[in-house]
Amino acid sequence: QVQLVESGGGLVKPGGSLRLSCAASGFTFSGYYMSWIRQAPGEGLEWVSYISSSGSAIYYADSVKGRFTISRDNAENSLYLQMNSLRAEDTAVYYCARVEVPSYCGGDCSYFYYMDVWGKGTTVTVSS
Amino acid sequence: DIQMTQSPSSLSASVGDRVTITCRSSQSISTSLNWYQQKPGKAPNLLIYAASSLQSGVPSRFSGSGSGTDFTLTISSLQPEDFATYYCQQSYTTPWTFGQGTKVEIK
Repeated sequence: QVQLVESGGGLVKPGGSLRLSCAASGFTFSGYYMSWIRQAPGEGLEWVSYISSSGSAIYYADSVKGRFTISRDNAENSLYLQMNSLRAEDTAVYYCARVEVPSYCGGDCSYFYYMDVWGKGTTVTVSS
Repeated sequence: DIQMTQSPSSLSASVGDRVTITCRSSQSISTSLNWYQQKPGKAPNLLIYAASSLQSGVPSRFSGSGSGTDFTLTISSLQPEDFATYYCQQSYTTPWTFGQGTKVEIK
């Protein structure tokens, strides 16, 4: 079945680095855009980044731009998030998600992306 | 950035009630609006995409409507498994943004 499994979370000191991974299975990974979303404890959802199927197009939230790097390995069916210069406010559960477009969409579908498959998340805690 | 505002932030309802959640965007986003359900300790689950398209496998008691800046998620007859937090999200432009969430609790 279609599945996403995140890993790599943990406890890290402020200023430290962490690399999250997301292993995909049950679908043609190379055909889909992918995204990272996070949720701080007791808070709502915050979109972090997304990457196109080939990796040629990448977007970030301003809160992580210049510190986080999204990447993918289509041969390994894996998505990554390299997180550097971590801050206390980066503490959150990090989810990876598959990005889909409506089947009826023609032309520029970028306005209609949605996240249809989510992993269970991995927890990142930034604390001294 | 486009701001998404949901109302109410929380509501109490009974099984069988009709429930309506509103989401408003700070600028027009056409129908680039998605709805997710999240239960405690779980990942979000997609309910509605493109404002009104029901995701496969989602019960038909869920429906979405709206365009421009005003959107609605309706649960026609609330079931016990529907008690959760609901989020709207715009994909019109990056950064994608979510509403703050609406918690649906048991009355």
